[in-house]
Amino acid sequence: DAKTTQPPSMDCAEGRAANLPCNHSTISGNEYVYWYRQIHSQGPQYIIHGLKNNETNEMASLIITEDRKSSTLILPHATLRDTAVYYCIVSYDRGSTLGRLYFGRGTQLTVWP
Amino acid sequence: NAGVTQTPKFRVLKTGQSMTLLCAQDMNHEYMYWYRQDPGMGLRLIHYSVGEGTTAKGEVPDGYNVSRLKKQNFLLGLESAAPSQTSVYFCASSYSAGGWLAKNIQYFGAGTRLSVL
Repeated sequence: DAKTTQPPSMDCAEGRAANLPCNHSTISGNEYVYWYRQIHSQGPQYIIHGLKNNETNEMASLIITEDRKSSTLILPHATLRDTAVYYCIVSYDRGSTLGRLYFGRGTQLTVWP
Repeated sequence: NAGVTQTPKFRVLKTGQSMTLLCAQDMNHEYMYWYRQDPGMGLRLIHYSVGEGTTAKGEVPDGYNVSRLKKQNFLLGLESAAPSQTSVYFCASSYSAGGWLAKNIQYFGAGTRLSVL
C-alpha cells in the first residue's frame, strides 16, 4: 500500500528549480525514500533514494527532513524533457529477499518554456 | 546496451484469446517483475520472480500466469483474455546482490500496450 502523499500536479518554468514534495509521516526507521519518474508512454525510471541524509546525483537532489516525515525532490534546472509523473515511494525489506515498490498516482510535473 | 526489452509493443486480442508477453534482460539480474498500469493509475504488481525457476504472486495475479525458465527471460501469459485486462504491461528487473538496498532499484522496459475487445 502507498504510504506517501504527493500533490497531483505541479508546474515549473524551464531553467528554474522544480521542488517536488512528498509526505511520508508513517515511515519506519529502516525504510528508504525512493523517487522514480515516468515520462509519457515510457517505463518508470529510477532517480534517487535516501535514508536520512540528503543525497545528490547527476539527475537530482533529495532533501529529507530531520524527522523523516517528508522529503523534497529537487531538479535544479528543469528542462522540457523533465515533464513526467514523479513517484515518491518508501520501501524496505522485512528480512525477505524482495524489495517491493508501491506506485501511487504520483505528481504530474509540467515544465513550460 | 539493451537493458530490459519487452515484446510485443502493441497487441489487440479478442475476448477469450490467449497470448504470451516476453520480457528479456541482459543485466544478469536475479529479480524480475510484471506490472500493469491502467489509465491515470500507478503501477500494480502482477507476479514476480526472485530467480530462475521461481515465481510468486503480487497484488493482482488473477487471470495471469508466469514462467522463468531462464534467468534472462520472464514470460507473462494470459490464458483467456478479458476486457478488464486491457492495460499497459511493464516488465522490470533488479539486482539481489550488493545488499537488500539494491533490490529496490528496478529497471523497466518500454511497456506492452494490450487491448482486449
